[in-house]
Amino acid sequence: NAGVTQTPKFQVLKTGQSMTLQCAQDMNHEYMSWYRQDPGMGLRLIHYSVGAGITDQGEVPNGYNVSRSTTEDFPLRLLSAAPSQTSVYFCASRKGRNYEQYFGPGTRLTVT
Amino acid sequence: GDSVTQMEGPVTLSEEAFLTINCTYTATGYPSLFWYVQYPGEGLQLLLKATKADDKGSNKGFEATYRKETTSFHLEKGSVQVSDSAVYFCALSEMNTGNQFYFGTGTSLTVIP
Repeated sequence: NAGVTQTPKFQVLKTGQSMTLQCAQDMNHEYMSWYRQDPGMGLRLIHYSVGAGITDQGEVPNGYNVSRSTTEDFPLRLLSAAPSQTSVYFCASRKGRNYEQYFGPGTRLTVT
Repeated sequence: GDSVTQMEGPVTLSEEAFLTINCTYTATGYPSLFWYVQYPGEGLQLLLKATKADDKGSNKGFEATYRKETTSFHLEKGSVQVSDSAVYFCALSEMNTGNQFYFGTGTSLTVIP
C-alpha cells in the first residue's frame, strides 16, 4: 500500500492564482481531512469528508473548496491564492471515528 | 468541548536521558488517545495509541498510559537517542464528537550527543 499520497511536494503561486492540491489514499478509508500547519499554530483543520459525496467545513475553511467524488481522492482547491495561505498542507485519512489518522507527506505552498 | 494540552517546548536532552512529555485532555465521552511524531520535513506518523482507560501504548521504546482519573496520557522513554529529535503531538478522537480529531500544539525535542 502507498498509504496517503500528496502532490505536488512544493508549489509557488502568485497572489490571485488558483490551484488544486491532490490527495489520494489506497486504504479504503471513509474519512479524509485537510490540515494546514503553520509555525506556532499547530495543525488546523480546513475541510473533512466522511465518505464519497459528503464534505464539511473545519476550523479554517475560507478560501478553500473540496469535493469527494470517490473514496480514494480528496482534492483541495485554492480559489484565489493569498499570502496568508502560505503554509504546509497535510492530507490525512482514517477508517472511521475513534481510529488513528494516517498522514501524507505534505505540500509546502508559498504565495507571493 | 474536547481539547488536548501538552507541555510547552522546546525540550533539549542529552543522549540516554529520560524523557517525559506531559499531555492532558478534556473529553465529553470515552476518547481514544494517540501520540504522533513528526520528523523534519515529513508528515505526522502514528507513534502509539490507547483506546481505553489503563491501556498502555508502546512503540520504539516509547510508552504512554491512558489515565482516566487524571485525564492524562504522558509520553515517556527511558533513554533517548539523537534520532528521536522531532516534534511530538498528543491527540484524541472520540465517537460522539463528530468527525474531528483534536491535536495538542506539539512539543519539539532535540537530543544532543
